[in-house]
Amino acid sequence: NAGVTQTPKFQVLKTGQSMTLQCAQDMNHNSMYWYRQDPGMGLRLIYYSASEGTTDKGEVPNGYNVSRLNKREFSLRLESAAPSQTSVYFCASSEAGGWDQPQHFGDGTRLSIL
Amino acid sequence: DQQVKQNSPSLSVQEGRISILNCDYTNSMFDYFLWYKKYPAEGPTFLISISSIKDKNEDGRFTVFLNKSAKHLSLHIVPSQPGDSAVYFCAASSTNNDMRFGAGTRLTVKP
Repeated sequence: NAGVTQTPKFQVLKTGQSMTLQCAQDMNHNSMYWYRQDPGMGLRLIYYSASEGTTDKGEVPNGYNVSRLNKREFSLRLESAAPSQTSVYFCASSEAGGWDQPQHFGDGTRLSIL
Repeated sequence: DQQVKQNSPSLSVQEGRISILNCDYTNSMFDYFLWYKKYPAEGPTFLISISSIKDKNEDGRFTVFLNKSAKHLSLHIVPSQPGDSAVYFCAASSTNNDMRFGAGTRLTVKP
């Protein structure tokens, strides 16, 4: 009963390195999301995929790219990591694409960029 | 700009008493509101939601109240239990907007 699985759980990068965060869900959900959470702030939406084959920008997309590989998997890529991207990243999924749908979250990836 | 605000970073209550967590929003287009609970080292989990056509929604010990004119919602937990100790996030959305989250309130329920 895995739900939403994120890998890795922790990662340390140097400025300028690239990195892909992986996310997979086993609930046959149509929509998937990437958020970041910073101290003293709520979760902020980076990108989302309402359905397989579509992706859209969220509130804070700069410096990130995403790929909806198939219905199960949604990856987040940092092409050239910057210290401002140090954060905890959460992937989520929902059965349908409406913003009134409860989202199911993974346990997060804690990313530090030196 | 933060469109969803939780002005109390923390709240401490005694076991068995009521916990009231508050949330304010600025965007009058928001029409759906959700509460999530988060334990350390885990992702948020959905708790309860309310549509703007309602002013109250209840699920067991959890009740959410919505005051549209004041752009305010609150989560009531009665009775509070030690296992309710967590960070609670308020979130708001509309058809044309993505999901916006508050910064969270850390609830501590003391035995």
